[in-house]
Amino acid sequence: SQWGEENLQALSIQEGEDVTMNCSYKTYTTVVQWYRQKSGKGPAQLILIRSNEREKRSGRLRATLDTSSQSSSLSITGTLATDTAVYFCATATNTGKLTFGDGTVLTVKP
Amino acid sequence: DPKIIQKPKYLVAVTGSEKILICEQYLGHNAMYWYRQSAKKPLEFMFSYSYQKLMDNQTASSRFQPQSSKKNHLDLQITALKPDDSATYFCASSQDYRGDTLYFGAGTRLSVL
Repeated sequence: SQWGEENLQALSIQEGEDVTMNCSYKTYTTVVQWYRQKSGKGPAQLILIRSNEREKRSGRLRATLDTSSQSSSLSITGTLATDTAVYFCATATNTGKLTFGDGTVLTVKP
Repeated sequence: DPKIIQKPKYLVAVTGSEKILICEQYLGHNAMYWYRQSAKKPLEFMFSYSYQKLMDNQTASSRFQPQSSKKNHLDLQITALKPDDSATYFCASSQDYRGDTLYFGAGTRLSVL
């Protein structure tokens, strides 16, 4: 998991495997966003899930949100080597401020 | 083509000097932001602007001054540089000031010697 006092995590898997990354957040939010950052690039939003959705899918991605436990997960099915990146979850205030977790470093070996 | 242009991509500065980081967005967005990413900390929010007005400032030091000459332009001036300022600085924008999808530039990597 990321956020709070957790440190940056690292996962290494083989191409084709499925992976799930988790995060928990401390402050109340109605929206959780997942971002991916590839080496040398800025973060790019993958999926945004709202509190009334519980689950959201986009291609090979699936995000869940449990507001009761203040946790979210991102799953990637059939990973590709190009999925290698750092994955962050983030919450936003209504002032536009995004608070990012420490991130999960995902390495997908071909 | 990148829609958020940050210049320069790499920057080396000496302690005590002053540098300006450039950011332009061509997405037609009304809100722009600066974030910082260092080796020791996750992405940190610095500033948010909406229609060229400062909305939120989470940077304790006055050495960091955003400058917005146009709605699609938000530069970051850093004075009296310190080695601890070494980080990658990301500019971002969003359609409006609601905290939904942010689009990030590729960043400026600043090294202070």
